Amino acid sequence: RKEVEQDPGPFNVPEGATVAFNCTYSNSASQSFFWYRQDCRKEPKLLMSVYSSGNEDGRFTAQLNRASQYISLLIRDSKLSDSATYLCVVFYGNKLVFGAGTILRVKS
Amino acid sequence: IAGITQAPTSQILAAGRRMTLRCTQDMRHNAMYWYRQDLGLGLRLIHYSNTAGTTGKGEVPDGYSVSRANTDDFPLTLASAVPSQTSVYFCASSEQGVTGELFFGEGSRLTVL
Repeated sequence: RKEVEQDPGPFNVPEGATVAFNCTYSNSASQSFFWYRQDCRKEPKLLMSVYSSGNEDGRFTAQLNRASQYISLLIRDSKLSDSATYLCVVFYGNKLVFGAGTILRVKS
Repeated sequence: IAGITQAPTSQILAAGRRMTLRCTQDMRHNAMYWYRQDLGLGLRLIHYSNTAGTTGKGEVPDGYSVSRANTDDFPLTLASAVPSQTSVYFCASSEQGVTGELFFGEGSRLTVL
């Protein structure tokens, strides 16, 4: 079992739609969680950290469920510019573990 | 513009050749990292350096070496390239180590034939 698993997608959604991605992690001792965004053939960039209480940044909401060992990312009112690969990242044992990413395609 | 610069951006290399990927940052971050990204796999850590003068092995270090002579530069060397090292390589830095935000370079696309 992979340490961090994501549905690779692609998720094809129309503009304005709400879309959610889940990411599961295997190590219950995981301490910190992040979502990174990676545009096609570009470098990853931090989208947001994920806090235990959940957090929101504009149209983006991240949540953590420690009991079920998953984190989620919700994107409301999708824009064409949201099209990218979203990487789930988990920190434990002094290392970062990256998921393989979920592809989102927003279409007009 | 502050950030991380990688070179070359793309390279085709014959198997058995030696290759050094360069990485320079101007943010004065202590921690630097080299990752490789392959289709269907997450970014995997090759080597890291928590501060100038120190380096450590990551998840997939075999066939690679690094050095950290100063804060700004963190080159990655493939001593004798093999086709399985065909990948996209990202250099990254962080002010706070792996618990903080990682800033990535634009990547170096390496093809070993």
